Amino acid sequence: DTAVSQTPKYLVTQMGNDKSIKCEQNLGHDTMYWYKQDSKKFLKIMFSYNNKELIINETVPNRFSPKSPDKAHLNLHINSLELGDSAVYFCASSQQGDPNEQFFGPGTRLTVL
Amino acid sequence: DQQVKQNSPSLSVQEGRISILNCDYTNSMFDYFLWYKKYPAEGPTFLISISSIKDKNEDGRFTVFLNKSAKHLSLHIVPSQPGDSAVYFCAALGGGTSYGKLTFGQGTILTVHP
Repeated sequence: DTAVSQTPKYLVTQMGNDKSIKCEQNLGHDTMYWYKQDSKKFLKIMFSYNNKELIINETVPNRFSPKSPDKAHLNLHINSLELGDSAVYFCASSQQGDPNEQFFGPGTRLTVL
Repeated sequence: DQQVKQNSPSLSVQEGRISILNCDYTNSMFDYFLWYKKYPAEGPTFLISISSIKDKNEDGRFTVFLNKSAKHLSLHIVPSQPGDSAVYFCAALGGGTSYGKLTFGQGTILTVHP
């Protein structure tokens, strides 16, 4: 009964490949987020969706494309992977009106070789 | 430009003593400040928050203090327990940023020794 789940947990791939990370939440929240934790351990928001609509889009390369088929899912597609994309990616969710308490998934460690 | 900073990368405390984790920020328009706790191989979990109009919020062993004039907040854990050993992230909401955007500090590793 995991609240926010991500698959896969680990992803190792070659430069230039295209990959996806999936996220699902069963909390009934209407807002979902993607964060990136880089090698310096900073957690930075990438995207946020509310009811399947994009509401936050930080300066992320357009090789990264979030897709929200419904409000319980927010997947992250990454095209033409680069070495600098290696990081831990966290999905999170919250209820609109209470963005304070964002519930995070366990993270996906992406390694680009 | 890092708007939320945690200048101590690590803190080591004896069990039963007080742990004080510090955080500084530069954006005076932030509305809420939050602390998240993170264990290895897990996502951050929400711990406690404080509104910018308050100066203290307490929840059990955890108390957050906010000093707006100094743009500083701190998290006190009393008494500290070995299970508190984790990475603690300070975060801020609002401040003219997009709705729901959390701005995180870089984290402080807390180690509580038995």
